[in-house]
Amino acid sequence: AQTVTQSQPEMSVQEAETVTLSCTYDTSESDYYLFWYKQPPSRQMILVIRQEAYKQQNATENRFSVNFQKAAKSFSLKISDSQLGDAAMYFCAYRSNNAGNMLTFGGGTRLMVKP
Amino acid sequence: EPEVTQTPSHQVTQMGQEVILRCVPISNHLYFYWYRQILGQKVEFLVSFYNNEISEKSEIFDDQFSVERPDGSNFTLKIRSTKLEDSAMYFCASSEASGRAETQYFGPGTRLLVL
Repeated sequence: AQTVTQSQPEMSVQEAETVTLSCTYDTSESDYYLFWYKQPPSRQMILVIRQEAYKQQNATENRFSVNFQKAAKSFSLKISDSQLGDAAMYFCAYRSNNAGNMLTFGGGTRLMVKP
Repeated sequence: EPEVTQTPSHQVTQMGQEVILRCVPISNHLYFYWYRQILGQKVEFLVSFYNNEISEKSEIFDDQFSVERPDGSNFTLKIRSTKLEDSAMYFCASSEASGRAETQYFGPGTRLLVL
């Protein structure tokens, strides 16, 4: 079974600075997808960024980018120019391409942004 | 922008009682999911549903749980006889399809407390 680990329960960053959230996963598969979801306080989880394992190029969405290291099974999220609205819980998630649609989540990292 | 909605936002029930959690997925979506998060633990997959039947379920989703799409808009999770350990946040999600890297859109959750 796949597992996803987020080793940082909490992180803080100064507004306008850059922060990197860590995620590692364990799988024996070669074809899968990785996601970062953001959950603001009392709001639903929304997709921030996703990465297909077969793509070597790291995904980027505006201020959000990932560092995908397939051999190391690492999938970190970098937030540049942090804004107050980035404060949220961030979840890393894994989805196999061979075993249905279920997402396997990490434990989450709470990001605080200091003004 | 269309959103997944869930009712109620909070539910308190006595052990042994039946509860029904309701979700309204995004209208053109075809795949529906339930996840739960026990306080302090990871978000866990429960079940996925497509074409009026369960397509995938986890070990958590035992005979006490059932899902239904009673009409064209609602998707429900029923717990027949609640236990203390069913206390959790329950998230509904939907996706348009089940293709590669298809995004699952999450609702805000229902917090269930079993006393």
